[in-house]
Amino acid sequence: EADIYQTPRYLVIGTGKKITLECSQTMGHDKMYWYQQDPGMELHLIHYSYGVNSTEKGDLSSESTVSRIRTEHFPLTLESARPSHTSQYLCASSRPGPLSGYTFGSGTRLTVV
Amino acid sequence: AQKVTQAQTEISVVEKEDVTLDCVYETRDTTYYLFWYKQPPSGELVFLIRRNSFDEQNEISGRYSWNFQKSTSSFNFTITASQVVDSAVYFCALVEEGGSEKLVFGKGTKLTVNP
Repeated sequence: EADIYQTPRYLVIGTGKKITLECSQTMGHDKMYWYQQDPGMELHLIHYSYGVNSTEKGDLSSESTVSRIRTEHFPLTLESARPSHTSQYLCASSRPGPLSGYTFGSGTRLTVV
Repeated sequence: AQKVTQAQTEISVVEKEDVTLDCVYETRDTTYYLFWYKQPPSGELVFLIRRNSFDEQNEISGRYSWNFQKSTSSFNFTITASQVVDSAVYFCALVEEGGSEKLVFGKGTKLTVNP
């Protein structure tokens, strides 16, 4: 049973549309992350948060934005989708300390046409 | 800065063969954690193992085993008697203690096990 939920699972959308990818976790984790995965498999950290009202950009520059108004919710928004945004987006969460590990959602496969 | 290298992009084996997936890492920290994740075609990342930098004991879990060697900065993963269900992309990852505690992944190795 998943403790971190991502919706939608698949999304096909036209260029220029605004989209929000949802990520919610029920574990009370303070830390949350968004990873973008290329069609060629590589995973890149694009955003992370240490808690409510905390957001940071990751290692890969992204045109997306995130917000963290509630502990359990970490949505990602693209104001104007482009074909270059076609990718899989994976959300994760963790407790403080690396030993606790990361729990990943099932991902959202986004296709921009 | 931390870095993880998985030199094998794709591996193809026949069922029942043993296969080893290589992982080499770089870090300046003395305390760090290494992970392996499995990503089946469905797309989710499945946690397999976590190892901290002070524990060099090898680990075996069923058909899976891991060989951690600090001297060569390697954390290799072996599947014994591979099965078709093992077909997936496998990622090695590293997080340093302290700082941002961000998980950095290798590029992944796609394993195909043919019947």
